[in-house]
Amino acid sequence: DGGITQSPKYLFRKEGQNVTLSCEQNLNHDAMYWYRQDPGQGLRLIYYSQIVNDFQKGDIAEGYSVSREKKESFPLTVTSAQKNPTAFYLCASSTTGYSNQPQHFGDGTRLSIL
Amino acid sequence: KQEVTQIPAALSVPEGENLVLNCSFTDSAIYNLQWFRQDPGKGLTSLLLIQSSQREQTSGRLNASLDKSSGRSTLYIAASQPGDSATYLCAASSGAGSYQLTFGKGTKLSVIP
Repeated sequence: DGGITQSPKYLFRKEGQNVTLSCEQNLNHDAMYWYRQDPGQGLRLIYYSQIVNDFQKGDIAEGYSVSREKKESFPLTVTSAQKNPTAFYLCASSTTGYSNQPQHFGDGTRLSIL
Repeated sequence: KQEVTQIPAALSVPEGENLVLNCSFTDSAIYNLQWFRQDPGKGLTSLLLIQSSQREQTSGRLNASLDKSSGRSTLYIAASQPGDSATYLCAASSGAGSYQLTFGKGTKLSVIP
């Protein structure tokens, strides 16, 4: 079945450590997105990518980095500069970057601090 | 800047009841509005997308409406079932070509058997 796979499901970060969250899709979608969800809060956009080798900052990009070397993959790195990384991270994709297409989501990665 | 509000934050209803979830937005220049479902510890599942030129969309027991002039959308669930228990989020997109969705905080629905 086509879909979005996020791994790992749970991740723990030590002080000063960078960690990378994986997001892979086999939907042949051009656009991909990373969101952060905190308890009782709406989703906030971290980064998005409309096509391969192109990505744009969202509302809360500080302390995060991404790459888009392949259409299927959009990994997110949480750097040591992100001082409050504990959250639920969601990856999404859509057919194009135009928002008249619904976004499809993975099952998320929960990141915690050790 | 678009702001999206969902009230109430939580709702509990007996099985079989029809119910309405509310979503309001501040910028009426909306391109589309989407409704999602989120189960605990899971990602979001897209339920319905209403484009600005549409007034409503239906899928099975779900019906979503959009009133741009009043800045409101509603999600109607008919004959609720315990399996409908989840958090429902709405998200608004403003401007053609806008890649960003502004999400509400969601309404947590509990359907009691």
